[in-house]
Amino acid sequence: GAVVSQHPSWVICKSGTSVKIECRSLDFQATTMFWYRQFPKQSLMLMATSNEGSKATYEQGVEKDKFLINHASLTLSTLTVTSAHPEDSSFYICSATQGDSYNEQFFGPGTRLTVL
Amino acid sequence: GNSVTQMEGPVTLSEEAFLTINCTYTATGYPSLFWYVQYPGEGLQLLLKATKADDKGSNKGFEATYRKETTSFHLEKGSVQVSDSAVYFCALTPRRTGNQFYFGTGTSLTVIP
Repeated sequence: GAVVSQHPSWVICKSGTSVKIECRSLDFQATTMFWYRQFPKQSLMLMATSNEGSKATYEQGVEKDKFLINHASLTLSTLTVTSAHPEDSSFYICSATQGDSYNEQFFGPGTRLTVL
Repeated sequence: GNSVTQMEGPVTLSEEAFLTINCTYTATGYPSLFWYVQYPGEGLQLLLKATKADDKGSNKGFEATYRKETTSFHLEKGSVQVSDSAVYFCALTPRRTGNQFYFGTGTSLTVIP
């Protein structure tokens, strides 16, 4: 089946530094990739939607200058958390879809970010 | 608008008990409905889905039926196992407005031997 990987799986960084998280579709070309944020014991909050070669669409309340998304190819999207602060600590999950609007989303295993 | 409301947890059951996790939705048009499962420390995995009214999705002993009249997609399993312990998310995607998924808040299930 379709596999999505994320790297790294866990990252700890100092406050003020930037962190890049990669999301790759391993065996399919992803027309659209999504980035979610999940707080402990809560649901997934959609942060942004990205299509290859175009600018990401951010959800209301998500700072686009803080969370930079690049979707350079059909198999790779990156999320960069710039000038990270402790409140950015969270579980970040990406997903990818193939094709039409009602296909399922294939989720990555998530990246746990801890900002000290 | 689009939203999903699911039963709050946590839910604790004994092995072989019957499971129901309620899910209702609000959507424009005719959405596709999904149940995803998240095991501890992992990402989400698709459990089952239904794309039109009266469809029944099933997988690993779990079932859910797309009920348009009650706007519901309740998850059921006749006999749960310890390995079913996880968080379950109900979700929808509105077919006419792109790929965006809307998730419920998740229901944590713990099955004890």
